[in-house]
Amino acid sequence: DIQMTQSPSSLSASVGDRVTITCRASQGISNSLAWYQQKPGKAPKVLLFAASRLESGVPSRFSGSGSGTDYTLTVSSLQPEDFATYYCQQYYSALYTFGQGTKLELK
Amino acid sequence: QVQLQESGPGLVKPSETLSLTCAVSGASISYSYWSWIRQPPGKGLEWIGHISYSGSTNYNPSLKSRVTISVDTSKNQFSLKLSSVTAADTAVYYCARAPHPTVNFDFWGQGTLVTVSS
Repeated sequence: DIQMTQSPSSLSASVGDRVTITCRASQGISNSLAWYQQKPGKAPKVLLFAASRLESGVPSRFSGSGSGTDYTLTVSSLQPEDFATYYCQQYYSALYTFGQGTKLELK
Repeated sequence: QVQLQESGPGLVKPSETLSLTCAVSGASISYSYWSWIRQPPGKGLEWIGHISYSGSTNYNPSLKSRVTISVDTSKNQFSLKLSSVTAADTAVYYCARAPHPTVNFDFWGQGTLVTVSS
């Protein structure tokens, strides 16, 4: 199965900061990558798919990039509602796997 | 708008079978791929398996020997059975949809906590 390694596992930042989360796959996944945001007690919500395509209704401060095995999620200017846990997920293989998550906390 | 709703017992005894159902509204279950995903308390997400509109299944090899996912098209719902549970199976269980097996999950249920304890 394809292992997804996210970094960092936690991140402290302030409102207005620009933050980047990285996800590395154990093999190339041809941009078959989604990013999800999860708030406590809620189901994950998709933010981006195909590595860089923004889901409808998601603010444009979220962006994604990458290719091959390395991908990033960037939030250009953090808003109070962005403090949450973020997961990457590959769907290149039919054995879907997630990164271990990045908890974004208010500094 | 597609909506998914999990239901089932919140407490299961060790060695017994966990059974959950996901009711789908706003879309026909005869299309798309329908997954179960779980999240132990304070931990990350683990995909359990999925069933297609045609009834074909694919399971996570780590759970394959204990998992059965089935679909009931007449009720527009699908189900999960996980046998021989232990405390390690305690988790929030989500059902989710992917329109195709090579795309992301676009709709999720709210999740249901299942605790394995005697």
